[in-house]
Amino acid sequence: KNEVEQSPQNLTAQEGEFITINCSYSVGISALHWLQQHPGGGIVSLFMLSSGKKKHGRLIATINIQEKHSSLHITASHPRDSAVYICAVIRGSQGNLIFGKGTKLSVKP
Amino acid sequence: DAGVIQSPRHEVTEMGQEVTLRCKPISGHDYLFWYRQTMMRGLELLIYFNNNVPIDDSGMPEDRFSAKMPNASFSTLKIQPSEPRDSAVYFCASSPRTSAFTDTQYFGPGTGLTVL
Repeated sequence: KNEVEQSPQNLTAQEGEFITINCSYSVGISALHWLQQHPGGGIVSLFMLSSGKKKHGRLIATINIQEKHSSLHITASHPRDSAVYICAVIRGSQGNLIFGKGTKLSVKP
Repeated sequence: DAGVIQSPRHEVTEMGQEVTLRCKPISGHDYLFWYRQTMMRGLELLIYFNNNVPIDDSGMPEDRFSAKMPNASFSTLKIQPSEPRDSAVYFCASSPRTSAFTDTQYFGPGTGLTVL
């Protein structure tokens, strides 16, 4: 079993829909990252979370440390949000970085 | 700033050849990371440096892989000899903070490596 599981693996949405991508992990962590990988391959760091919630524009990330779960929400989705979204956890206090396999999001106009 | 710069953007080589990937981090960043991405395994951390010193190389797959950071503005990842299973996209990233993973990382565009 992977230490970091993302769901769904693939997601197709219509423009304007509210989107949720989930990340569950089985190890103790100090923080969690959400990354966005564009169709051209470039990777952008979206959020780093250790507790609670963070918001940036239409993106909201939440984490529940007790339940070992994080969600990434996109409000009013747009075709330019089409990308692969990757969850990565930092194991332990200075441990290594473990990546999920990613969720491929396609937003149709 | 131009961001993290990687070269070459694409490399095609034959099995057994030496491959050198290059990275220039963002000026002033303390941390530099090398990642590999494949369809099968996704993203994997290979090695990271703090102030030019390798901190954790436990992700380096084999002795055929080596990485150096001779100064704050340049790092290399070398594969010798290369094998077809090394085919992947290799990303370099840098981060400004004093803690390795608890800050935003800035990724380069990646180097797509194909070993025939």
